[in-house]
Amino acid sequence: QKEVEQNSGPLSVPEGAIASLNCTYSDRGSQSFFWYRQYSGKSPELIMSIYSNGDKEDGRFTAQLNKASQYVSLLIRDSQPSDSATYLCASGAGSYQLTFGKGTKLSVIP
Amino acid sequence: GAVVSQHPSWVICKSGTSVKIECRSLDFQATTMFWYRQFPKQSLMLMATSNEGSKATYEQGVEKDKFLINHASLTLSTLTVTSAHPEDSSFYICSARVKGSSSYEQYFGPGTRLTVT
Repeated sequence: QKEVEQNSGPLSVPEGAIASLNCTYSDRGSQSFFWYRQYSGKSPELIMSIYSNGDKEDGRFTAQLNKASQYVSLLIRDSQPSDSATYLCASGAGSYQLTFGKGTKLSVIP
Repeated sequence: GAVVSQHPSWVICKSGTSVKIECRSLDFQATTMFWYRQFPKQSLMLMATSNEGSKATYEQGVEKDKFLINHASLTLSTLTVTSAHPEDSSFYICSARVKGSSSYEQYFGPGTRLTVT
C-alpha cells in the first residue's frame, strides 16, 4: 500500500517567517514528488516538482528531497497571508498515478 | 500553458437524475486523464484513470456502472454520474498528463461542485 503522510496541521506562522512543511512516503520506487497548493473550495495547483535528492528552489519556495529517508519537504520563505492554504504532497511511481497525502493546512498570520 | 477546464463549474440536480461533467485540456493533448472526488475537509480520492481510446480503470470501491467515464479524444474526457443520490454530492476534479511526457505531473481542472437534492 503506497502511502504519503503529512501532518494535518494547522501550521501557523507569522507573516514574513519561514513555513516548513514535511512529508514522508512509503514506496521506495517513487521517482517523482510534487507539492500542490489548494485554496479552500478550489482545485489543487502545482507549485513545485522534485525528482532528485537535494534542494530545488523556485522564488520563495524550496523543495527538499531525501530518498534514503523517504522524506520530502517544502520551505516557504517570507510567508505571506496569501500563502494560507492546504499544501498537498504527492509521489509518483509506476502507472503515472500520483499518491496524495491528506494535506497540511497552513495559516500565515498578518 | 497546460490549462485544463471543466464544465460545469457547479451543478444542482435532483436525486435519480444523471449529470455529465466535461474535462478538457485546452492547450495540450492529454493521453491520460484522472478523475478525483473530494469531500469537505478531506483529501483527494482518485476515482479512475482514463486513457484516450480505451476503457477507464476504476479504483477499488468506485462503481463503474454509476460513474461512467468516456475519453473520446486527446483533449476531452467526460464523467457521467448516473442515478445520482445525495451521497454523491461532492467536489469532482479532473487532471491531465501531457501526451508524450515522461513526467508524472498532473494539471488540474478547476473542479465541479455537484449537489444532489
